[in-house]
Amino acid sequence: AQSVAQPEDQVNVAEGNPLTVKCTYSVSGNPYLFWYVQYPNRGLQFLLKYITGDNLVKGSYGFEAEFNKSQTSFHLKKPSALVSDSALYFCAVRDNNAGNMLTFGGGTRLMVKP
Amino acid sequence: KAGVTQTPRYLIKTRGQQVTLSCSPISGHRSVSWYQQTPGQGLQFLFEYFSETQRNKGNFPGRFSGRQFSNSRSEMNVSTLELGDSALYLCASSSRQKGTEAFFGQGTRLTVV
Repeated sequence: AQSVAQPEDQVNVAEGNPLTVKCTYSVSGNPYLFWYVQYPNRGLQFLLKYITGDNLVKGSYGFEAEFNKSQTSFHLKKPSALVSDSALYFCAVRDNNAGNMLTFGGGTRLMVKP
Repeated sequence: KAGVTQTPRYLIKTRGQQVTLSCSPISGHRSVSWYQQTPGQGLQFLFEYFSETQRNKGNFPGRFSGRQFSNSRSEMNVSTLELGDSALYLCASSSRQKGTEAFFGQGTRLTVV
């Protein structure tokens, strides 16, 4: 069985400061890892993914994430937060042997204050 | 390229009724997955369809069912609605090639009263 943990329900950061949203995962096979963002009353918007290769992946809107196999983590980062980054962020894992089923973490609300 | 389209966007139903939700995937995508999002349980996988066949199923009762048509459009049906079925239902489409991401629709907000 696969699982994802996002240990922080909410992350608060000041505009212009770096941000990190944490994610750890558990999967039996090789993981495919994803970050999605959700704005109020909207669906999920894809940010970035790790499939293989470089441990640091870059995505949309200046976000990046670092895959750490030994710590089974995939933390989302951004060097300089914007107020418009305030939203709900979900980490997800897919076992590459289990079709297209995504298992999501519980979500982390990011609040960026001016 | 048009995105994933879900209809209707909002729905209010009474306990005991049934409901059908529709999803049109991105053109060329043959895999459609459904998820339920609630404040208490978060995002939970319902089922995945590919080439009109159910490939994966989550841990939901048999009242939740789905199907996929030859044009890849998918419907999900919930019978004998319960108050706890109130949720945002999200549809995701993908090409099912290894490593590709899923693209989500805006969801259908179902309220059961």
